[in-house]
Amino acid sequence: AQTVTQSQPEMSVQEAETVTLSCTYDTSESDYYLFWYKQPPSRQMILVIRQEAYKQQNATENRFSVNFQKAAKSFSLKISDSQLGDAAMYFCAYRRAGGNKLVFGAGTILRVKS
Amino acid sequence: NAGVMQNPRHLVRRRGQEARLRCSPMKGHSHVYWYRQLPEEGLKFMVYLQKENIIDESGMPKERFSAEFPKEGPSILRIQQVVRGDSAAYFCASSNTGELFFGEGSRLTVL
Repeated sequence: AQTVTQSQPEMSVQEAETVTLSCTYDTSESDYYLFWYKQPPSRQMILVIRQEAYKQQNATENRFSVNFQKAAKSFSLKISDSQLGDAAMYFCAYRRAGGNKLVFGAGTILRVKS
Repeated sequence: NAGVMQNPRHLVRRRGQEARLRCSPMKGHSHVYWYRQLPEEGLKFMVYLQKENIIDESGMPKERFSAEFPKEGPSILRIQQVVRGDSAAYFCASSNTGELFFGEGSRLTVL
């Protein structure tokens, strides 16, 4: 069974600085998708970024980028120029290609200090 | 285009009562998923439905929980004889063939 591990329960970053959230996963599949979701206090699940495993290029969405290391099964999220609105719970998630279920990590709380 | 709509947003039940949570998928989406989030945890898959069919219920507890997605109307997650351990946020997501879009969740509190 696939598992997703987020080893940092909580992280803090100063406004305007950069922070990296870690995620590792375990799978025997070769084709899959990885995601980072943001859950602010409103509890809405917001897709931040996605990565297809067959793509070597790391995905980027404005201030958010990933470091995808397929051999190491690592998928970290880098947030540049952190803003107060980035404060939230961040979840890493996995879905195998052709599958329907998302498997989530336990989450990392990100606090942004002004 | 309205997003995934869940109601009620908050539901309080006493032990032994029934809870019904509703989910209207995004327009044009025929796939619905239910996830449960216990306090301080990530979301756990419960069930995946298409219209009138349960495709995957591997995450559903064997007793007291059921889900449906009728031809007309919203998907319903039903919890019978609720216990305190059922207190959680229940999220619905919908998709067509690709990306999942989540609703804002229904928070169930069992007294």
